[in-house]
Amino acid sequence: AQSVAQPEDQVNVAEGNPLTVKCTYSVSGNPYLFWYVQYPNRGLQFLLKYITGDNLVKGSYGFEAEFNKSQTSFHLKKPSALVSDSALYFCAVRASNDYKLSFGAGTTVTVRA
Amino acid sequence: GAVVSQHPSWVICKSGTSVKIECRSLDFQATTMFWYRQFPKQSLMLMATSNEGSKATYEQGVEKDKFLINHASLTLSTLTVTSAHPEDSSFYICSARVMSPGAGLTYNEQFFGPGTRLTVL
Repeated sequence: AQSVAQPEDQVNVAEGNPLTVKCTYSVSGNPYLFWYVQYPNRGLQFLLKYITGDNLVKGSYGFEAEFNKSQTSFHLKKPSALVSDSALYFCAVRASNDYKLSFGAGTTVTVRA
Repeated sequence: GAVVSQHPSWVICKSGTSVKIECRSLDFQATTMFWYRQFPKQSLMLMATSNEGSKATYEQGVEKDKFLINHASLTLSTLTVTSAHPEDSSFYICSARVMSPGAGLTYNEQFFGPGTRLTVL
């Protein structure tokens, strides 16, 4: 069985400050890891993914995430948050030999001006 | 990237009626599509896997007679909520699975539609 944990329901930061959204996972075999962002009444927008290679993955809108195998983590980061980054963020995982995605519960990010 | 569309984007219906939601992969073929349900401020829950030319596979606890899925072509899957009731009100999201990698697409990667907001009165 595979699962994702996003330990924080909400993250609040001031604009211009660093933003971190935490994610840990559990999966059999090699993990494929994803981050998505969702704005109200919208579908999921892909931010970035880790398949293989460099542990630091760079994605859309200045976001990046670091894969840490020993800690089974894939935290999302942005050096300088914008008010427009306020949204719901989902971490997801699947095994390399499977197609089903498992999602975390989501973290609501609020960036205040 | 690959584009997945959903229609309609929102629908309001009376209790007891049936509602059909379409999911289309616009620029790639998808032998497998997925239907998710999302309650307010909650995560996506996989309802079923839609396979082109065969029966859908439903997740545990999802009523297959309630949520009819048809995947008649390589680019279209439909979800019909039959005899809808207020508790069926939700945000329904589909995704399509890449079967032919290339042009930046990874095998088994999923692309998500924009979602359909269903409100049953």
